[in-house]
Amino acid sequence: NAGVTQTPKFRVLKTGQSMTLLCAQDMNHEYMYWYRQDPGMGLRLIHYSVGEGTTAKGEVPDGYNVSRLKKQNFLLGLESAAPSQTSVYFCASSYPGSTVGQGTNTEAFFGQGTRLTVV
Amino acid sequence: RKEVEQDPGPFNVPEGATVAFNCTYSNSASQSFFWYRQDCRKEPKLLMSVYSSGNEDGRFTAQLNRASQYISLLIRDSKLSDSATYLCVVRNFNKFYFGSGTKLNVKP
Repeated sequence: NAGVTQTPKFRVLKTGQSMTLLCAQDMNHEYMYWYRQDPGMGLRLIHYSVGEGTTAKGEVPDGYNVSRLKKQNFLLGLESAAPSQTSVYFCASSYPGSTVGQGTNTEAFFGQGTRLTVV
Repeated sequence: RKEVEQDPGPFNVPEGATVAFNCTYSNSASQSFFWYRQDCRKEPKLLMSVYSSGNEDGRFTAQLNRASQYISLLIRDSKLSDSATYLCVVRNFNKFYFGSGTKLNVKP
């Protein structure tokens, strides 16, 4: 049981290049998320998905696109990388949250992160 | 206003000390609450969920006050291995909201 796996773990891009980050989970989670983490900023949501074939924008979606063609995979694309996209990217997955009271098993599980540098 | 606010610290404490972290959240409709631990350059990992009645896991005690929209984490008998950043996390339906984290340094 691998949990949440991200590839690649490190990458250096030149400004204007494109790349795709892959997130795979084997926990049959409906929900998947992409975050970026910058010093002093905490985790910020880029895009998320509540099921296969669905995606939605988060707090900082500009410059990124996503796709969820299979339930277990969530791809994050950078079409034209910019230095401002230098960051650590985390993928996460979870079960749906309870809408009544507090549910159990509603936490997020994270991948190991991708360190991206755009020069 | 941020959804979740925490004191960034750092908290520098000696081994064996008791230390408390607090956070506040802005959305009264939030349903689930957590403390995560993040070690330098690693992914966040769940430390414990936080329930309305309060809950304890070994040296760690979490409390939730829904009326004040306030969450706390108490660490007793601090160990060197407790040194990390502690993230307060709130879930509202589809989304998780993260505090910026409180850094803890436990010194020998």
